[in-house]
Amino acid sequence: NAGVMQNPRHLVRRRGQEARLRCSPMKGHSHVYWYRQLPEEGLKFMVYLQKENIIDESGMPKERFSAEFPKEGPSILRIQQVVRGDSAAYFCASSPGRLTNTGELFFGEGSRLTVL
Amino acid sequence: GQNIDQPTEMTATEGAIVQINCTYQTSGFNGLFWYQQHAGEAPTFLSYNVLDGLEEKGRFSSFLSRSKGYSYLLLKELQMKDSASYLCAVNTNAGKSTFGDGTTLTVKP
Repeated sequence: NAGVMQNPRHLVRRRGQEARLRCSPMKGHSHVYWYRQLPEEGLKFMVYLQKENIIDESGMPKERFSAEFPKEGPSILRIQQVVRGDSAAYFCASSPGRLTNTGELFFGEGSRLTVL
Repeated sequence: GQNIDQPTEMTATEGAIVQINCTYQTSGFNGLFWYQQHAGEAPTFLSYNVLDGLEEKGRFSSFLSRSKGYSYLLLKELQMKDSASYLCAVNTNAGKSTFGDGTTLTVKP
């Protein structure tokens, strides 16, 4: 039973290029969460999605960042016109449904973006 | 808003006991969770508390006081492999988890 799958694991982009990060949740999970982690820092919530719906995007920067979770296929986190400050590890997590008081998150291995 | 505080770093000796504290302020509290994250790896779930009191799980225990907005993770019989970051996270009624900045634990021989 595969866990949360993220790709690419490592991505290098030059300033101004686009980065696309993909996340396939665990089988049977329909809720996906994206977090960003800067070096030596904690996980910062970005966006929470359910199939075809954005539930909460309160942690997403207003510009250049977007996320989707289509009916078919993985969730995509898209960063347009990347800047050096976007360099970070981006973790995807999934859950079978809405998080309850006993529901933990299952994390992928992360995608590490480096902007040159 | 939400605020979760935990110490940045801690050091302990192999075989000892260490307690990592976490205080939180949140609306719509719906459970407190602890995750372990080794450098360069994904966070993995350790324990959760919903009600006040102590939950024991092998060498790891976690405590919660909802009235005080306080939790701790207790690690016993420390091993070198316990060197990692420990993340305190709060689930809310909004259906998401908010994380503290993590405590980096270094276990020394």
